[in-house]
Amino acid sequence: EAQVTQNPRYLITVTGKKLTVTCSQNMNHEYMSWYRQDPGLGLRQIYYSMNVEVTDKGDVPEGYKVSRKEKRNFPLILESPSPNQTSLYFCASSLVGDNTGELFFGEGSRLTVL
Amino acid sequence: AQSVTQPDIHITVSEGASLELRCNYSYGATPYLFWYVQSPGQGLQLLLKYFSGDTLVQGIKGFEAEFKRSQSSFNLRKPSVHWSDAAEYFCAVGGSYIPTFGRGTSLIVHP
Repeated sequence: EAQVTQNPRYLITVTGKKLTVTCSQNMNHEYMSWYRQDPGLGLRQIYYSMNVEVTDKGDVPEGYKVSRKEKRNFPLILESPSPNQTSLYFCASSLVGDNTGELFFGEGSRLTVL
Repeated sequence: AQSVTQPDIHITVSEGASLELRCNYSYGATPYLFWYVQSPGQGLQLLLKYFSGDTLVQGIKGFEAEFKRSQSSFNLRKPSVHWSDAAEYFCAVGGSYIPTFGRGTSLIVHP
């Protein structure tokens, strides 16, 4: 089954404790992206990647890091989480070659930073 | 720069009534336009998309949307809403794989 898998789905952590949210897709998509969703603000892009070893900042990259060492994985790293990073995070992927633009989303990771 | 406006934060309809969710966009060229739905506790799922051609596009779950270039709009419609349609709806515009999303419209369905 074609899917985007995020882990963990739920996480409560404390300020300053490094964490990683993993994202994996099994569709051989070149494009992957991270969004955060906050009430009243919709979806805001954090980082995206056009292919392996190619990443770029989105609209709200501060406090986050990403890496793209393999095509299927695109982890989101919070080196020193702060309470303002409490949010619902979504990973998404897309096939660049067919130019349809459809994004496939994971089910989301709800992060609470105390 | 591209942008999307969804003027309605919440929409409440009765089951069986018709629905229209508004979306206005700003984009420098012919836009790629999308509607996604987010059911509670789920990720986003594509409802429909417009790239070119017929300005009335059909999607899944009985939804349709009409592209009106003169009004820079891409409104989502459904003739008869079901309780299971209660969800968050996002309009998106942009290039083929880096869309900009609106802030979403929450649909509440009364029995």
